[in-house]
Amino acid sequence: KAGVTQTPRYLIKTRGQQVTLSCSPISGHRSVSWYQQTPGQGLQFLFEYFSETQRNKGNFPGRFSGRQFSNSRSEMNVSTLELGDSALYLCASSFVSRRDTEAFFGQGTRLTVV
Amino acid sequence: TQLLEQSPQFLSIQEGENLTVYCNSSSVFSSLQWYRQEPGEGPVLLVTVVTGGEVKKLKRLTFQFGDARKDSSLHITAAQPGDTGLYLCAGHSGGGADGLTFGKGTHLIIQP
Repeated sequence: KAGVTQTPRYLIKTRGQQVTLSCSPISGHRSVSWYQQTPGQGLQFLFEYFSETQRNKGNFPGRFSGRQFSNSRSEMNVSTLELGDSALYLCASSFVSRRDTEAFFGQGTRLTVV
Repeated sequence: TQLLEQSPQFLSIQEGENLTVYCNSSSVFSSLQWYRQEPGEGPVLLVTVVTGGEVKKLKRLTFQFGDARKDSSLHITAAQPGDTGLYLCAGHSGGGADGLTFGKGTHLIIQP
Protein backbone atom coordinates (compact mmCIF):
# COMPACT_ATOMS: atom_id res chain seq x y z
CA LYS A 1 0.00 0.00 0.00
CA ALA A 2 1.10 3.58 -0.55
CA GLY A 3 3.16 5.21 2.18
CA VAL A 4 2.82 8.58 3.81
CA THR A 5 2.94 11.35 1.23
CA GLN A 6 4.11 14.84 2.06
CA THR A 7 3.90 17.76 -0.30
CA PRO A 8 5.74 19.73 -1.35
CA ARG A 9 9.15 18.12 -0.87
CA TYR A 10 10.98 21.44 -0.91
CA LEU A 11 9.93 25.00 -0.21
CA ILE A 12 11.70 28.33 -0.09
CA LYS A 13 9.87 31.16 1.62
CA THR A 14 10.70 34.68 2.69
CA ARG A 15 10.71 35.80 6.30
CA GLY A 16 7.28 37.05 7.30
CA GLN A 17 5.37 34.90 4.83
CA GLN A 18 3.19 31.97 5.75
CA VAL A 19 3.33 28.39 4.52
CA THR A 20 1.03 25.38 4.40
CA LEU A 21 2.36 21.83 4.28
CA SER A 22 0.30 18.78 3.44
CA CYS A 23 0.37 15.18 4.61
CA SER A 24 -1.62 12.25 3.27
CA PRO A 25 -1.44 9.31 5.70
CA ILE A 26 -1.49 5.65 4.83
CA SER A 27 -4.96 4.55 3.85
CA GLY A 28 -6.90 3.57 6.95
CA HIS A 29 -4.65 5.44 9.36
CA ARG A 30 -6.48 7.99 11.45
CA SER A 31 -3.67 9.48 13.50
CA VAL A 32 -1.29 12.05 12.04
CA SER A 33 1.57 13.62 13.95
CA TRP A 34 3.88 16.42 12.87
CA TYR A 35 7.53 16.87 13.83
CA GLN A 36 10.18 19.49 13.15
CA GLN A 37 13.74 18.26 12.57
CA THR A 38 16.75 20.58 12.78
CA PRO A 39 20.45 19.77 13.17
CA GLY A 40 20.61 21.54 16.51
CA GLN A 41 17.42 20.36 18.19
CA GLY A 42 16.77 17.06 16.45
CA LEU A 43 13.20 15.87 16.04
CA GLN A 44 10.64 17.79 18.06
CA PHE A 45 6.96 17.00 18.35
CA LEU A 46 4.60 19.67 17.02
CA PHE A 47 1.10 18.18 17.34
CA GLU A 48 -1.03 15.12 16.74
CA TYR A 49 -4.44 14.84 15.16
CA PHE A 50 -6.82 11.94 15.45
CA SER A 51 -10.24 11.86 13.82
CA GLU A 52 -10.04 15.59 13.02
CA THR A 53 -9.25 16.53 16.64
CA GLN A 54 -5.95 17.80 17.98
CA ARG A 55 -4.99 15.28 20.67
CA ASN A 56 -1.75 16.78 21.86
CA LYS A 57 0.51 19.72 21.19
CA GLY A 58 4.22 20.22 21.63
CA ASN A 59 6.00 23.27 22.91
CA PHE A 60 5.83 25.49 19.84
CA PRO A 61 4.45 29.03 19.47
CA GLY A 62 0.97 29.69 18.21
CA ARG A 63 2.36 30.52 14.75
CA PHE A 64 2.38 26.77 14.21
CA SER A 65 -1.07 25.32 13.66
CA GLY A 66 -2.62 22.34 11.98
CA ARG A 67 -5.80 20.63 11.06
CA GLN A 68 -7.07 17.28 9.89
CA PHE A 69 -9.78 16.60 7.39
CA SER A 70 -12.44 13.90 7.39
CA ASN A 71 -10.31 11.78 5.03
CA SER A 72 -7.46 11.94 7.61
CA ARG A 73 -5.31 14.15 5.41
CA SER A 74 -3.60 16.80 7.48
CA GLU A 75 -2.14 20.22 6.91
CA MET A 76 0.12 22.31 9.05
CA ASN A 77 0.49 26.03 8.73
CA VAL A 78 3.26 28.31 9.89
CA SER A 79 2.52 32.02 9.87
CA THR A 80 4.94 34.94 10.03
CA LEU A 81 7.90 32.78 9.11
CA GLU A 82 11.21 33.29 10.89
CA LEU A 83 14.66 32.23 9.78
CA GLY A 84 14.71 29.69 12.61
CA ASP A 85 11.72 27.91 11.12
CA SER A 86 13.99 26.47 8.43
CA ALA A 87 13.81 22.74 9.02
CA LEU A 88 12.68 19.38 7.76
CA TYR A 89 9.02 18.94 8.67
CA LEU A 90 8.00 15.32 9.05
CA CYS A 91 4.58 13.81 9.22
CA ALA A 92 3.89 10.40 10.74
CA SER A 93 0.72 8.35 10.48
CA SER A 94 -0.50 5.46 12.57
CA PHE A 95 -3.63 3.36 12.68
CA VAL A 96 -4.60 4.44 16.16
CA SER A 97 -3.37 6.98 18.64
CA ARG A 98 -1.63 4.67 21.11
CA ARG A 99 1.84 4.75 22.52
CA ASP A 100 3.05 1.39 21.23
CA THR A 101 1.59 1.77 17.77
CA GLU A 102 4.05 1.87 14.91
CA ALA A 103 4.28 5.27 13.26
CA PHE A 104 5.16 5.55 9.60
CA PHE A 105 6.99 8.66 8.53
CA GLY A 106 6.83 10.49 5.22
CA GLN A 107 9.91 11.81 3.44
CA GLY A 108 9.33 15.26 4.84
CA THR A 109 9.10 18.78 3.51
CA ARG A 110 12.35 20.74 3.53
CA LEU A 111 11.46 24.36 4.34
CA THR A 112 14.03 27.08 3.88
CA VAL A 113 13.24 30.58 5.10
CA VAL A 114 15.37 33.36 3.63
CA THR B 1 10.40 18.05 29.81
CA GLN B 2 11.69 14.53 29.39
CA LEU B 3 14.98 14.25 27.54
CA LEU B 4 16.67 11.36 25.79
CA GLU B 5 20.43 11.59 25.53
CA GLN B 6 22.08 9.54 22.82
CA SER B 7 25.75 8.64 22.67
CA PRO B 8 27.95 8.74 20.83
CA GLN B 9 26.78 11.55 18.62
CA PHE B 10 29.03 10.39 15.76
CA LEU B 11 30.61 7.02 15.11
CA SER B 12 32.71 5.90 12.17
CA ILE B 13 33.99 2.32 12.09
CA GLN B 14 35.21 -0.26 9.63
CA GLU B 15 33.01 -2.91 8.09
CA GLY B 16 32.91 -6.04 10.23
CA GLU B 17 33.36 -4.31 13.57
CA ASN B 18 30.82 -4.35 16.39
CA LEU B 19 29.31 -1.26 17.97
CA THR B 20 26.89 -0.15 20.65
CA VAL B 21 24.93 3.08 20.83
CA TYR B 22 23.16 4.27 23.92
CA CYS B 23 19.99 6.11 24.78
CA ASN B 24 19.66 7.41 28.33
CA SER B 25 17.18 9.41 30.34
CA SER B 26 16.57 10.40 33.92
CA SER B 27 12.87 9.76 33.34
CA VAL B 28 10.90 6.56 32.99
CA PHE B 29 9.42 5.80 29.59
CA SER B 30 6.48 3.48 29.02
CA SER B 31 8.05 2.36 25.77
CA LEU B 32 11.08 3.13 23.63
CA GLN B 33 11.46 2.91 19.90
CA TRP B 34 14.52 2.87 17.69
CA TYR B 35 14.45 4.38 14.21
CA ARG B 36 16.95 4.62 11.37
CA GLN B 37 16.91 7.61 9.08
CA GLU B 38 18.76 7.92 5.80
CA PRO B 39 19.49 11.24 4.07
CA GLY B 40 16.43 12.68 2.37
CA GLU B 41 14.10 10.17 3.99
CA GLY B 42 11.89 10.01 7.05
CA PRO B 43 12.77 7.77 10.02
CA VAL B 44 11.92 4.09 9.70
CA LEU B 45 10.94 2.16 12.80
CA LEU B 46 13.29 -0.69 13.70
CA VAL B 47 11.86 -1.91 17.00
CA THR B 48 9.64 -1.05 19.96
CA VAL B 49 10.51 -2.21 23.48
CA VAL B 50 7.95 -1.93 26.22
CA THR B 51 9.04 -4.17 29.11
CA GLY B 52 11.93 -3.37 31.46
CA GLY B 53 14.83 -5.73 30.75
CA GLU B 54 13.43 -6.68 27.35
CA VAL B 55 15.87 -7.78 24.65
CA LYS B 56 14.88 -7.91 21.00
CA LYS B 57 16.96 -9.12 18.10
CA LEU B 58 16.60 -8.08 14.48
CA LYS B 59 19.21 -10.01 12.47
CA ARG B 60 22.54 -8.40 13.46
CA LEU B 61 20.86 -5.74 15.63
CA THR B 62 20.17 -6.33 19.33
CA PHE B 63 18.05 -3.90 21.29
CA GLN B 64 17.82 -3.80 25.06
CA PHE B 65 15.50 -1.84 27.34
CA GLY B 66 16.87 -1.10 30.79
CA ASP B 67 15.27 -2.71 33.84
CA ALA B 68 14.14 0.69 35.10
CA ARG B 69 12.86 1.70 31.63
CA LYS B 70 15.08 4.77 31.62
CA ASP B 71 17.67 3.64 29.09
CA SER B 72 18.16 1.51 26.03
CA SER B 73 20.98 0.28 23.85
CA LEU B 74 21.41 -0.85 20.27
CA HIS B 75 24.20 -3.27 19.50
CA ILE B 76 25.22 -4.07 15.92
CA THR B 77 27.46 -7.01 15.20
CA ALA B 78 29.60 -7.28 12.08
CA ALA B 79 28.54 -3.86 10.83
CA GLN B 80 28.02 -3.43 7.10
CA PRO B 81 28.06 -0.28 4.93
CA GLY B 82 24.29 -0.64 4.56
CA ASP B 83 23.97 0.04 8.30
CA THR B 84 25.11 3.63 7.72
CA GLY B 85 22.53 6.16 8.84
CA LEU B 86 21.16 8.25 11.67
CA TYR B 87 19.91 6.09 14.54
CA LEU B 88 17.25 7.69 16.70
CA CYS B 89 15.71 6.55 19.92
CA ALA B 90 12.28 7.83 20.86
CA GLY B 91 10.05 7.33 23.81
CA HIS B 92 6.56 7.77 25.04
CA SER B 93 6.37 9.08 28.57
CA GLY B 94 3.01 7.48 29.11
CA GLY B 95 -0.53 8.69 29.36
CA GLY B 96 -2.67 8.94 26.29
CA ALA B 97 -1.91 10.38 22.92
CA ASP B 98 1.31 12.20 23.73
CA GLY B 99 3.90 12.68 21.07
CA LEU B 100 7.20 10.91 20.85
CA THR B 101 10.26 12.42 22.52
CA PHE B 102 13.29 11.88 20.30
CA GLY B 103 16.97 11.81 21.09
CA LYS B 104 19.22 13.81 18.80
CA GLY B 105 20.54 10.63 17.24
CA THR B 106 23.78 8.84 16.50
CA HIS B 107 25.29 9.41 13.09
CA LEU B 108 26.81 6.05 12.11
CA ILE B 109 29.18 5.57 9.20
CA ILE B 110 30.40 2.12 8.27
CA GLN B 111 33.41 2.28 6.00
CA PRO B 112 34.04 -0.56 3.55
